[in-house]
Amino acid sequence: GNSVTQMEGPVTLSEEAFLTINCTYTATGYPSLFWYVQYPGEGLQLLLKATKADDKGSNKGFEATYRKETTSFHLEKGSVQVSDSAVYFCALPLSGGYNKLIFGAGTRLAVHP
Amino acid sequence: NAGVTQTPKFQVLKTGQSMTLQCAQDMNHNSMYWYRQDPGMGLRLIYYSASEGTTDKGEVPNGYNVSRLNKREFSLRLESAAPSQTSVYFCASSPWTGGGGELFFGEGSRLTVL
Repeated sequence: GNSVTQMEGPVTLSEEAFLTINCTYTATGYPSLFWYVQYPGEGLQLLLKATKADDKGSNKGFEATYRKETTSFHLEKGSVQVSDSAVYFCALPLSGGYNKLIFGAGTRLAVHP
Repeated sequence: NAGVTQTPKFQVLKTGQSMTLQCAQDMNHNSMYWYRQDPGMGLRLIYYSASEGTTDKGEVPNGYNVSRLNKREFSLRLESAAPSQTSVYFCASSPWTGGGGELFFGEGSRLTVL
């Protein structure tokens, strides 16, 4: 079945630093790929998604490119802010449809002024 | 502007006690889901309901039961709680039943089983 492996954290950065969080996946076919973000005390919310190979998803300055050759979907941001401190989850559909998602273990990001 | 609402937000149980986590969504979504979140393991799907009147098992269903009461509500029941069920539980909903759609999450319910 489908699976996802995500870079372990925590990641600690200074404000305005460059961020990369690695995500690799195993899947049948080319499913949609997602990044979700969880701010402290809240539920998860969709950050960005890519629905086919070579697509780039983007939102709030974050980007991720669906790379089928390396089965990766790494999350990047050129200049992080303190407000980006959160836990980030890579996700893709479980096999069997019905919009079930499987999530990576999450990467905690802490950004300091 | 409620979205997905979960109750209670916090609960402490003793081993063997039962309880029900309630979830309601006001977005007229077809699909609803229960996940649990444990440190270092991300979120794991417990049960889901693709539409009103249907439910099915996810990755970790043992020890849980669910009820899709109507289109809005999807409850999760622990019949005999165990310490291994200490976790944060998230309910989610989606307007899509096929793959590739977004999930909308509630704020979570933190359960501790002593």
